Amino acid sequence: EAQVTQNPRYLITVTGKKLTVTCSQNMNHEYMSWYRQDPGLGLRQIYYSMNVEVTDKGDVPEGYKVSRKEKRNFPLILESPSPNQTSLYFCASSNGPRSSYEQYFGPGTRLTVT
Amino acid sequence: GESVGLHLPTLSVQEGDNSIINCAYSNSASDYFIWYKQESGKGPQFIIDIRSNMDKRQGQRVTVLLNKTVKHLSLQIAATQPGDSAVYFCAENIRRDDKIIFGKGTRLHILP
Repeated sequence: EAQVTQNPRYLITVTGKKLTVTCSQNMNHEYMSWYRQDPGLGLRQIYYSMNVEVTDKGDVPEGYKVSRKEKRNFPLILESPSPNQTSLYFCASSNGPRSSYEQYFGPGTRLTVT
Repeated sequence: GESVGLHLPTLSVQEGDNSIINCAYSNSASDYFIWYKQESGKGPQFIIDIRSNMDKRQGQRVTVLLNKTVKHLSLQIAATQPGDSAVYFCAENIRRDDKIIFGKGTRLHILP
């Protein structure tokens, strides 16, 4: 089954404690992306990756890091989480960002930073 | 600025009627647009897309219309069903980069 998986699904942590949210896809997609979703703000792109070892900032990259060492994995790293990073996070993958390359989204990770 | 927005945050439609969800975009450089559906507790799901060289594209029970003159996008859902209840997002891709920018969403509520 084609899917994007994220772990963990729920996480409560404290300010400053480094954390990683994993994302994996089994569709051999080149394009992967992280979004955060906040009430009233919709989805905002944090980082995206066009291929292995190629990553670029989205609209809200501050406080986040990503890596793309393998095609299937695209972890999101919060080196020093802060309360304003409390949000619902989605990973997505596709063959490209445009032109009939539909993005598949993971189930989401709800992060709370206290 | 480069933003995608929606005219109505909530839309209530009688079951069986047609739904029209609107979206305005501000960047004339955007040339690819996508509609997503997000059900409660799930990630967004692709519905339909359209390129800027098209005015209209149809899928199964859905039609997307693009008016580049006024920078307006709409999603039409025919014979709305209870399963169509969700939040609908439009998104755009700007030609010069690979970012995808989402609108804030419209909640579609189906009346019995």
